[in-house]
Amino acid sequence: EAGVAQSPRYKIIEKRQSVAFWCNPISGHATLYWYQQILGQGPKLLIQFQNNGVVDDSQLPKDRFSAERLKGVDSTLKIQPAKLEDSAVYLCASSPNRYEQYFGPGTRLTVT
Amino acid sequence: RKEVEQDPGPFNVPEGATVAFNCTYSNSASQSFFWYRQDCRKEPKLLMSVYSSGNEDGRFTAQLNRASQYISLLIRDSKLSDSATYLCVVNVPNAGKSTFGDGTTLTVKP
Repeated sequence: EAGVAQSPRYKIIEKRQSVAFWCNPISGHATLYWYQQILGQGPKLLIQFQNNGVVDDSQLPKDRFSAERLKGVDSTLKIQPAKLEDSAVYLCASSPNRYEQYFGPGTRLTVT
Repeated sequence: RKEVEQDPGPFNVPEGATVAFNCTYSNSASQSFFWYRQDCRKEPKLLMSVYSSGNEDGRFTAQLNRASQYISLLIRDSKLSDSATYLCVVNVPNAGKSTFGDGTTLTVKP
């Protein structure tokens, strides 16, 4: 079974630029999560989708971050404009049942 | 106070040792609990679920104490390959709340 796919794997941008990340979950998984993981910390949930609806986005900085999952499968996370403190690994995970989660390899973002 | 707290360690133990980690949570509405393992510069991977009755998978035992609001992970007969960061996760699934601790780092030495 194919795992969660993410791209790009690495991205370096300057502050105030925009960036987008893509995630393809495991086939059949209705729940999709985006996390931000800063070095030395655990993953922090940014947004959770159930199919193409948002379950929770309370920790998403909505002035600069946006996410969508239009057809209930793939998802994109965008940052516009980026700040230095956005440097982190962005992890996508999916779940068949809102319990166990399966993570993709992540996108390592560096903002200079 | 953080919603989920773990002792960051590091725990440095010799091969063959038994080591235990605790994770405390503050949200009494939490319903499901997990331990994940994360190797350096890799994504977290599910290690095991934590059930009310406790559960065991080989050398690993997980327990839940709802009254005191903590979960634990016990590793027996530690192997070099157990060296990693162990993350606990506390979920309130219907509310979309999935909260990770910051992890406990384990290094197993020869």
